[in-house]
This record gives sequence, structure tokens and C-alpha cells, in this order.
Amino acid sequence: DAGITQSPRHKVTETGTPVTLRCHQTENHRYMYWYRQDPGHGLRLIHYSYGVKDTDKGEVSDGYSVSRSKTEDFLLTLESATSSQTSVYFCAISDGGRAGEQFFGPGTRLTVL
Amino acid sequence: AQTVTQSQPEMSVQEAETVTLSCTYDTSESDYYLFWYKQPPSRQMILVIRQEAYKQQNATENRFSVNFQKAAKSFSLKISDSQLGDAAMYFCAYRVNAGGTSYGKLTFGQGTILTVHP
Repeated sequence: DAGITQSPRHKVTETGTPVTLRCHQTENHRYMYWYRQDPGHGLRLIHYSYGVKDTDKGEVSDGYSVSRSKTEDFLLTLESATSSQTSVYFCAISDGGRAGEQFFGPGTRLTVL
Repeated sequence: AQTVTQSQPEMSVQEAETVTLSCTYDTSESDYYLFWYKQPPSRQMILVIRQEAYKQQNATENRFSVNFQKAAKSFSLKISDSQLGDAAMYFCAYRVNAGGTSYGKLTFGQGTILTVHP
């Protein structure tokens, strides 16, 4: 299994509080992604990174920011959490090869009350 | 923008039987990959099978095979000899073969919940 961990695995927070989710990889892969999973929508891309300090927006980036200061860590921040951000968040990594598989972390279940 | 549609929210199959999950997609690209991911109750995302658009031969992985119809933009998954462990949510996903900064972004369908009856 690809070495990807996410922390925390579960979190309950209140509306308006800041939240940071961490993705850590031990594979030295260049590309990292944050997705959210909601019923009826599958997984949707929030932000992604194509290198240290290189990030870009995905499909549903409003209300989220990311940072990648080193290859192994990709942080997702909700500056002021809202109930609509209650979701399961997945981190994924890829080495960038043509047939490159995307490996997913175990997910973080976030509940915003 | 690319879209992926799974029109079957739920499917069921008897153990040892065959089931087919449907997926359609919309793209103007010619060079892309299609994937089927399995998500069991553990929530872990597991790659089941992948198909490169330039390859005419349908991909096969043991009991899993696809029917890739490029002109119709259809990508169905067939599971033969279904097992209880196949019960999961299945996602169809699309990725354009773009390099550099645009590499690797996946577009997912809504998912199909597969139930396997003993």
C-alpha cells in the first residue's frame, strides 16, 4: 500500500472555527490532491499540488486554502468552517507517469455543527 | 468541462452471478484514461481497473472487465462470479492525459452501490 496518512481521521467542529487537515506521504510523489466526497456527487477535486509551493484550484475550491511547504505534506485549511463543508475528505498522490495511478489516503470525516 | 455520469444509484446481484455497472462520460479530448474505483465500507478507495482511450482492447483484471465504447462515450464494468467481498460503492472516473501542472485531476461519477446477496 502507498504510504499516505491523513490526520485527523475524524473531527467535529463548530461553524466559524478554522480547521486544518493534514496529508502526509512517504512515496516522494510530485502530485498531491484533496477531494471531498458527498452523497450524490462522488468525489470532487478541491485543490491540488504539482510541486512544493505549487498549488492550484479544483472544481470546488471556495472556502478552502492549501499549502505545501515540503514534498511529503499537503495541508487543507478551512478558514471559517460552515455546515456545507461537512464531508469526507480524501487526499491522493500520484507520481505523474502516463498511466500513473492515483493512491488515496484513508479519508477524514469532518462534521461542522 | 468533462462530466462522468453513473445512472444506477444502486444495483444488486446474487453471489456467483454477473453484474454490469454503467458509466457514461462527456469529453472533447481524445487522449484520456478511464478508471473504476471500489470503495468498501472501510472507505478506502481501491483501483479496480483502468482503460486507456487509445487502446481498443477492453481491459480485464481477473473477474473484472470493461466494455469501452469510445464513440458512444460509454465505459461499463462487468463483474463475473460475484463474491460477497465485491459489495461496495463503485466509482467511474476520468482523467485527461495532460502533463505538467494539469496532470492527474480525476473527475468522478456519482457512484453505484453494489449489494451482493448470498
